[in-house]
Amino acid sequence: AQTVTQSQPEMSVQEAETVTLSCTYDTSESDYYLFWYKQPPSRQMILVIRQEAYKQQNATENRFSVNFQKAAKSFSLKISDSQLGDAAMYFCAYRSDLSGNTPLVFGKGTRLSVIA
Amino acid sequence: DSGVTQTPKHLITATGQRVTLRCSPRSGDLSVYWYQQSLDQGLQFLIQYYNGEERAKGNILERFSAQQFPDLHSELNLSSLELGDSALYFCASSLRGGAGGWETQYFGPGTRLLVL
Repeated sequence: AQTVTQSQPEMSVQEAETVTLSCTYDTSESDYYLFWYKQPPSRQMILVIRQEAYKQQNATENRFSVNFQKAAKSFSLKISDSQLGDAAMYFCAYRSDLSGNTPLVFGKGTRLSVIA
Repeated sequence: DSGVTQTPKHLITATGQRVTLRCSPRSGDLSVYWYQQSLDQGLQFLIQYYNGEERAKGNILERFSAQQFPDLHSELNLSSLELGDSALYFCASSLRGGAGGWETQYFGPGTRLLVL
């Protein structure tokens, strides 16, 4: 079974600075998808960014980008120009690309604090 | 706003009782997923329905059951409740939920269940 590990339970960053959240995963599959979800205090799960494993180019969404290292099974999230609204729990998630119906497998999350 | 709605937002009940959580997917989405978020287990997949049929099952207890109705809304039934069932229950939806993991799952705001 696939597992997702987020080794940083908590992180903090100064406003306007850059922070990187780590995620590693374990899988024997070659095709899969990786996601970062944000969970603010409202508890809503919000998709931040996604990466297809077959794509070598790292995904970018405005201030959010990933560093996807397939061989190392690493999928880190970089937040640039951090804003107070970025404070939240961040979950890394994996989804198989097998035919059928595969659920998201989540890491335990990293709590990000943004310091004004 | 993801377009996925869940009711009720909060639910307080006693051990041994039965509750029903309701989810309406985004317009046009055929697939519904249920996840449980607890402090000790993190986010775990429970069950998935696609167009009224069960498609995948995760760590769902026998005391729990779900169904998806012809209008595509879904209900998660939790019975013989225990203290450990206290958690945030999320519903997510996607367009098809079939082959391939590329589809984004959009999460509802969750139902917070407290069992006393």
